[in-house]
Amino acid sequence: EAGVAQSPRYKIIEKRQSVAFWCNPISGHATLYWYQQILGQGPKLLIQFQNNGVVDDSQLPKDRFSAERLKGVDSTLKIQPAKLEDSAVYLCASSLDGGQVYGYTFGSGTRLTVV
Amino acid sequence: GDSVTQMEGPVTLSEEAFLTINCTYTATGYPSLFWYVQYPGEGLQLLLKATKADDKGSNKGFEATYRKETTSFHLEKGSVQVSDSAVYFCALFGAQKLVFGQGTRLTINP
Repeated sequence: EAGVAQSPRYKIIEKRQSVAFWCNPISGHATLYWYQQILGQGPKLLIQFQNNGVVDDSQLPKDRFSAERLKGVDSTLKIQPAKLEDSAVYLCASSLDGGQVYGYTFGSGTRLTVV
Repeated sequence: GDSVTQMEGPVTLSEEAFLTINCTYTATGYPSLFWYVQYPGEGLQLLLKATKADDKGSNKGFEATYRKETTSFHLEKGSVQVSDSAVYFCALFGAQKLVFGQGTRLTINP
């Protein structure tokens, strides 16, 4: 089966600019996640969708980050305006069963550099 | 809240050496436990898992046993290869989400 697709792979922007990331999960996976991975740290959950509804966005900096999942399939994560501390790899993942038994399947990530 | 603590890296070993990467967790109840591996420039890949106490997960020569009494899930491999060089993440499934440790960078020298 095809994996989780993410684009772009790399992005360099100046601070205060905006940026958007796209994710296409594995077909049939109802749950989708966005994680932020800062260099040298473990991934941190930003937002979790179940179909097109938000389950958990408690760690999402809502003053600058937004995410949507239209029609319960693809998802976009946006940052506006970006700050230097947003430099990280943004990982999208999906799961079939919610993750308890089979875990998540991750995409290759988008590496964001804010200068 | 739920949390995972891994041994600090980086870890550098010679090929064919024995590997242990320690992982302990704090959680309510009995979470599922996972090890993920991240190769350079790639996303995280599931390496192995265990869903209940005393379960042993295994894959590609790696093993980890779910120890409820010590709240641990240490990763082991009897003979590492250069291709095992990567970052390894321990994770638990708690409160309906995966929570990761900080990762341990492993480098294997020929």
